[in-house]
Amino acid sequence: RKEVEQDPGPFNVPEGATVAFNCTYSNSASQSFFWYRQDCRKEPKLLMSVYSSGNEDGRFTAQLNRASQYISLLIRDSKLSDSATYLCVVNSGGYQKVTFGIGTKLQVIP
Amino acid sequence: GAVVSQHPSRVICKSGTSVKIECRSLDFQATTMFWYRQFPKQSLMLMATSNEGSKATYEQGVEKDKFLINHASLTLSTLTVTSAHPEDSSFYICSAVTGDAVRTDTQYFGPGTRLTVL
Repeated sequence: RKEVEQDPGPFNVPEGATVAFNCTYSNSASQSFFWYRQDCRKEPKLLMSVYSSGNEDGRFTAQLNRASQYISLLIRDSKLSDSATYLCVVNSGGYQKVTFGIGTKLQVIP
Repeated sequence: GAVVSQHPSRVICKSGTSVKIECRSLDFQATTMFWYRQFPKQSLMLMATSNEGSKATYEQGVEKDKFLINHASLTLSTLTVTSAHPEDSSFYICSAVTGDAVRTDTQYFGPGTRLTVL
């Protein structure tokens, strides 16, 4: 089993739709979790950290489920500009233990 | 916010030549920088951890004699791909951490360098 697993998609959704991605991780000792956004041929950029209590930033909501070992990202009212690949990142201890998922590609359609 | 630059952004070279990629933290000091490689439709793979003033730590399967890393100052790390071959063609991305205790997990990524070896 991969350390971090994501559905690569693509997820094609109409503008205004709500879309959710999940990411599962195998190491139960994982300590911190992040969602990054990566545009085509560009570097990843931090979208948000994922806290145990969940966190929300505008149209984006991230949740952590330690019992089932997954994190989720919910995007409401999708915009065309949300089209990108969303990377799940899991830190299981120290900088060398940061693992990136393969990413989920989102395409928002007019 | 913390800004990381990379140079060059794109390089095309002949097989057998060496290529140097620079990673700079522009507005902060980075004691630790990371080098990643990303092949098409694959996730970022950590190649090595670069520590200022000491030897880099390489991940399993990464040849340290082929991928030379130098972290000469708190704002600069370099990756040299020696005797490049077509299979080394990839997107190389560096990242740095600010050392801010509040956000020590946050990595700031450079814009990446696309290497094509002919």
